[in-house]
Amino acid sequence: DGGITQSPKYLFRKEGQNVTLSCEQNLNHDAMYWYRQDPGQGLRLIYYSQIVNDFQKGDIAEGYSVSREKKESFPLTVTSAQKNPTAFYLCASRKLAGGNTGELFFGEGSRLTVL
Amino acid sequence: KQEVTQIPAALSVPEGENLVLNCSFTDSAIYNLQWFRQDPGKGLTSLLLIQSSQREQTSGRLNASLDKSSGRSTLYIAASQPGDSATYLCAVRLSNTGNQFYFGTGTSLTVIP
Repeated sequence: DGGITQSPKYLFRKEGQNVTLSCEQNLNHDAMYWYRQDPGQGLRLIYYSQIVNDFQKGDIAEGYSVSREKKESFPLTVTSAQKNPTAFYLCASRKLAGGNTGELFFGEGSRLTVL
Repeated sequence: KQEVTQIPAALSVPEGENLVLNCSFTDSAIYNLQWFRQDPGKGLTSLLLIQSSQREQTSGRLNASLDKSSGRSTLYIAASQPGDSATYLCAVRLSNTGNQFYFGTGTSLTVIP
């Protein structure tokens, strides 16, 4: 079945460590997104990418980095520079051409806890 | 900047009741609006997508309407069931070329058996 796979589902990190969250999609979608979700707040955009080897910062990119070496993959690295990284991270994707280009699809999320 | 509001933040209804969830947005020049469902600790599941040219979309017991001029969308759930208990979020996109989606904070729905 087509979908978006995020891993790991749960991740614990010590302060000062970098961690990488994986996002893989087999929907043949062009655009991919990373969002952060905190209790009581709407989803906030970290980074997005419309094409391989290109990506743009969202509203809260500081302390995060991404890469888009393959169309199917958009990993997110949470660096030690991110001051408050404990959150639920969501990866999403959508088509940019053809029918239903507006619809956004999400993975199951990754919960990062900093100890 | 587009602001999206969902009121109430939480809602409890008895099983079988029809209900309406609200989504308001400040900039009426939207390209589309999408409704999602989120179960605790899970990702978002797309329910309905309404293009700016449409007035409503239906899927099973769900019906979403869009009134751009008033900056409002509603999600109608008919004959609610305990399995409908979840948080419902709406998101708007401003243009065909835009990549920015603006999300509400959601309405947490509890359907009581």
